[in-house]
Amino acid sequence: GESVGLHLPTLSVQEGDNSIINCAYSNSASDYFIWYKQESGKGPQFIIDIRSNMDKRQGQRVTVLLNKTVKHLSLQIAATQPGDSAVYFCAESIQAGTALIFGKGTTLSVSS
Amino acid sequence: DGGITQSPKYLFRKEGQNVTLSCEQNLNHDAMYWYRQDPGQGLRLIYYSQIVNDFQKGDIAEGYSVSREKKESFPLTVTSAQKNPTAFYLCASSIGQNTEAGFGQGTRLTVV
Repeated sequence: GESVGLHLPTLSVQEGDNSIINCAYSNSASDYFIWYKQESGKGPQFIIDIRSNMDKRQGQRVTVLLNKTVKHLSLQIAATQPGDSAVYFCAESIQAGTALIFGKGTTLSVSS
Repeated sequence: DGGITQSPKYLFRKEGQNVTLSCEQNLNHDAMYWYRQDPGQGLRLIYYSQIVNDFQKGDIAEGYSVSREKKESFPLTVTSAQKNPTAFYLCASSIGQNTEAGFGQGTRLTVV
């Protein structure tokens, strides 16, 4: 089975709210994690990444939190906008591994 | 412009035919990857290549073949042995393992 998964397949929020998208991973050897955003019919776009020696990393309007104790990753989007509507994937890899392993994704819908 | 180019964007194949999907990158990346995406699903790894003239099977390599004769090119052939080839195919590249991968815009393959 997949080693990366997301808790909820869909998330609906109002414009201006903060969004939190969660991801659980099962491989304790994973040490690199990425969040991607995918719009319909397009390739995934990099949002933010984090390595296992960190607990938190911030970007522009986004924050990634990593809890290695419970093998949980989350993406927080501040002041969510309609343009944030997309499918969000988390992915992981291990240093001695091969390629990124993806979860199934969470569809974020933002209403005005 | 620097980036990853996939062609064609849409491809139709008759049953029993082989088809080749193109992926080119001018980012000087060593590693390249092919993923398959089915509706509502995450990305599954088909093949990846870390260096020229070398590649490894991913989770779903059966019915596919690749070559890596040049650093910038990683074509994927969908053979007649692939029983359910209709899907969205994504090519990616990265500087190396365990780093951010950038994606092309995908090729949507349909068997008619």
